[in-house]
Amino acid sequence: KAGVTQTPRYLIKTRGQQVTLSCSPISGHRSVSWYQQTPGQGLQFLFEYFSETQRNKGNFPGRFSGRQFSNSRSEMNVSTLELGDSALYLCASSLGQGFRNLMNTEAFFGQGTRLTVV
Amino acid sequence: AQSVAQPEDQVNVAEGNPLTVKCTYSVSGNPYLFWYVQYPNRGLQFLLKYITGDNLVKGSYGFEAEFNKSQTSFHLKKPSALVSDSALYFCAVRDARTARQLTFGSGTQLTVLP
Repeated sequence: KAGVTQTPRYLIKTRGQQVTLSCSPISGHRSVSWYQQTPGQGLQFLFEYFSETQRNKGNFPGRFSGRQFSNSRSEMNVSTLELGDSALYLCASSLGQGFRNLMNTEAFFGQGTRLTVV
Repeated sequence: AQSVAQPEDQVNVAEGNPLTVKCTYSVSGNPYLFWYVQYPNRGLQFLLKYITGDNLVKGSYGFEAEFNKSQTSFHLKKPSALVSDSALYFCAVRDARTARQLTFGSGTQLTVLP
């Protein structure tokens, strides 16, 4: 079974630009979560989608947004990039169906997209 | 709010010796606890989880973790460390009462010395 696929793996953008990152979850998984990883702040939750609906959102500004498609693939968008947005962005998928299932099951992570803002 | 603390940024251990990576948590409901490992330039790989039942949980690559409710701890252990175990380890928690997302600790860099 294929794992979680994130594209692109590496990205360099200029301050003020916008960027879109893509995540394809494991087949059959309907929950997709996004995390930002930086040396200073560690792993921080961005948002979670299930069946095309955002179920949970972390404490990030509105410049960070996401969406999920009917095939469970997800994208996240960052507008008006700032230098501090440079990070490894990780996507995780899980079955996510039913509350108990969501809580019990582990999330499977992609390799991440390394975003550098210059 | 749920939180996780990993008090050691760095743990060094000699190959063949037992290793422990510490984790304590704070939740308002029953905790769902996880350990993940991250190798350089890679995503996180799942090691093991505690949901309910036995306090000693066995996971991948010979790792195990001990859940201690009174001390609110979930330390990761391995009886005999390998050089290939050197990586960044994250403890994470889900709180059934207040939040669905995983909250991660700050990570512990494990270095196994040959």
